[in-house]
Amino acid sequence: DIQMTQSPSSLSASLGDRVTITCRASQSISNYLNWYQHKAGKAPKLLIYTASSLQSGVPSRFSGNGSGTDFTLTISSLQPEDFATYYCQQSYSTPRGTFGQGTKLEI
Amino acid sequence: EVQLLESGGGLVQPGGSLRLSCAASGFIFTSFGMGWVRQAPGKGLEWVSSISGGGSSTYYADSVKGRLTISRDNSNNTLYLHMNSLRAEDTAVYYCAKDGGNSGWPLFYYGMDVWGQGTTVAVSS
Repeated sequence: DIQMTQSPSSLSASLGDRVTITCRASQSISNYLNWYQHKAGKAPKLLIYTASSLQSGVPSRFSGNGSGTDFTLTISSLQPEDFATYYCQQSYSTPRGTFGQGTKLEI
Repeated sequence: EVQLLESGGGLVQPGGSLRLSCAASGFIFTSFGMGWVRQAPGKGLEWVSSISGGGSSTYYADSVKGRLTISRDNSNNTLYLHMNSLRAEDTAVYYCAKDGGNSGWPLFYYGMDVWGQGTTVAVSS
């Protein structure tokens, strides 16, 4: 099975900061990579699909990049509502849908 | 409006059984794969199981294989997760989620674009 590893596991940042979260796959997954935001008590929210496509309704300060094994999620200017846990997910090979361990973004 | 509504969670003893349901509305249910994802207390998101739009293909995480069974009733727009031989480590909030792409694409290539609100399963004596 493909393993997804995120770094860092946690990250402290301030309002207005630019932050980048990294996700690495244990083998090449082309662009079969999605990013989610999850807040406590809420349903996860799809932010980015196919590595770099912005989901409808998601603010443009979120962007995704990468292909193969290395991927990034960047938030260009942190807003108060962005403090959450972020997950990458691969959909390249069975079992499709496995997540990274998460990155908690804190103030 | 596209919506998913889970139900069926609760407190169950180790070794017990439970059936989760996810009622879908606002889209052509049979055209989309579906999945279950869980979050145990203090842990991250864990993909649990998936099913193709027609229901012929199913997939499971190793941690639940042989104990949990995914199914769907396309005539009633409902997804199920049948849970048997439950263990303490199955304690989690369980979410159902819709595939962002239709059945012509690999499962979740377009991500999981709609999620339910979650239902809590607690396994304890």
